[in-house]
Amino acid sequence: EVKLVESGGGLVQPGRSLKLSCAASGFSFNDYWMGWVRQAPGKGLEWIGEINQDSSTINYTPSLKDKFTISRDNAQNTLYLQMSKLGSEDTAIYYCARAQRRVCYFDYWGQGVMVTVSS
Amino acid sequence: DIKMTQSPSSLSASLGERVTISCRASENINNYLSWYQKKEDGSVKLLIYHTSRLQPGAPSRFSGSGSGKDYSLTISGLESEDIATYYCQQGYTPWTFGGGTKLELK
Repeated sequence: EVKLVESGGGLVQPGRSLKLSCAASGFSFNDYWMGWVRQAPGKGLEWIGEINQDSSTINYTPSLKDKFTISRDNAQNTLYLQMSKLGSEDTAIYYCARAQRRVCYFDYWGQGVMVTVSS
Repeated sequence: DIKMTQSPSSLSASLGERVTISCRASENINNYLSWYQKKEDGSVKLLIYHTSRLQPGAPSRFSGSGSGKDYSLTISGLESEDIATYYCQQGYTPWTFGGGTKLELK
């Protein structure tokens, strides 16, 4: 069974950084592209970015490229999202997801982790 | 970026009713269009990929169609478990989602 479990969320002050993790199991992690998606309160889904199997290609949505960094550790079957210079607009539920890159969709999603940016 | 416009933003329907949700891309996306279901508990599930391919495990009452810029998701007979918000997503980088359609019971 494919399982994706996000962790590392919580309350963080504006301007600070936070790193989310996504533990993958039930599939061969190093065979898949992975991605992050978020949903701010009352808003729709927003694609943050994606990373390929060996981390040689990482794509971001342009508005977040300078704030967020996606990485992975294939030995630990874990995906990461490093977020910096956080603002209230970054308050959201953050999802990790497994990507089917050839046809461009996410076939499995985690349950999401809440990040609240507030003083 | 390719903009995805989904309609309607909300929809009220009765059990057993046929429901259709539309999604229009700002340019041709060559069938790289997927549909997701997001429940109130926060869980997200893939229903349809590449316009019309049903994800294994998704109920057969869900179907997708379209081409070029215009796509749609149809539920052939609404069931109570289908109450959720539905999102389309296009597959050209950066991937983008539609604004969502909240489906409620009439």
